[in-house]
Amino acid sequence: EVQLVESGGGLVQPGGSLRLSCAASGFTFSSYEMNWVRQAPGKGLEWVSYISSSGSTIYYADSVKGRFTISRDNAKNSLYLQMNSLRAEDTAVYYCARVIAVAGTESADYWGQGTLVTVSS
Amino acid sequence: DIQMTQSPSSLSASVGDRVTITCRASQSISSYLNWYQQKPGKAPKLLIYAASSLQSGVPSRFSGSGSGTDFTLTISSLQPEDFATYYCQQSYSTPPYSFGQGTKLEIK
Repeated sequence: EVQLVESGGGLVQPGGSLRLSCAASGFTFSSYEMNWVRQAPGKGLEWVSYISSSGSTIYYADSVKGRFTISRDNAKNSLYLQMNSLRAEDTAVYYCARVIAVAGTESADYWGQGTLVTVSS
Repeated sequence: DIQMTQSPSSLSASVGDRVTITCRASQSISSYLNWYQQKPGKAPKLLIYAASSLQSGVPSRFSGSGSGTDFTLTISSLQPEDFATYYCQQSYSTPPYSFGQGTKLEIK
């Protein structure tokens, strides 16, 4: 059974840092691209970041570029999101999601349960 | 960046109704369009990928169509468990893979 379990969320002051983790199991983690997607309270989904299966290709949303760093450790079946210079508008539930490429398109077929990040003084 | 616009933002319908949600891209995205369902407090669930392909395990009352800039998600006969928020997402070319703002489907 595919499982994605996020951790590391919590309350942090503006300007602070937090590192999110996503533990993967039930599939060959090293073969899959991964995404981070967030959802502010009562708002819609926002794509945050992408990493290829090897970690060699990375993309970020403009809203987090220069502040967030995505990485992965295939030996540990883990995905990470290092978040620095946090702002109130980064407050959200953060989901990790597995990416599949089928019929030439990419989609997120499995999602974790999410971890809440609250940025507030 | 590509912008995705869904309509309507909210919709009231009854069990058994046929419902259509529309998603429009700011530029052509071919068929690189996904649909997700999200229930309160839960993670999103993939329903449709590549505009019209049904994800494994998703009931056949869900269908998707469209290409280019205009896409639709149709639920042929609403069931009680279908009341949720629906999101489209484009995956054209390279990221950012933007989402629509969501359509909340409520019980009439």
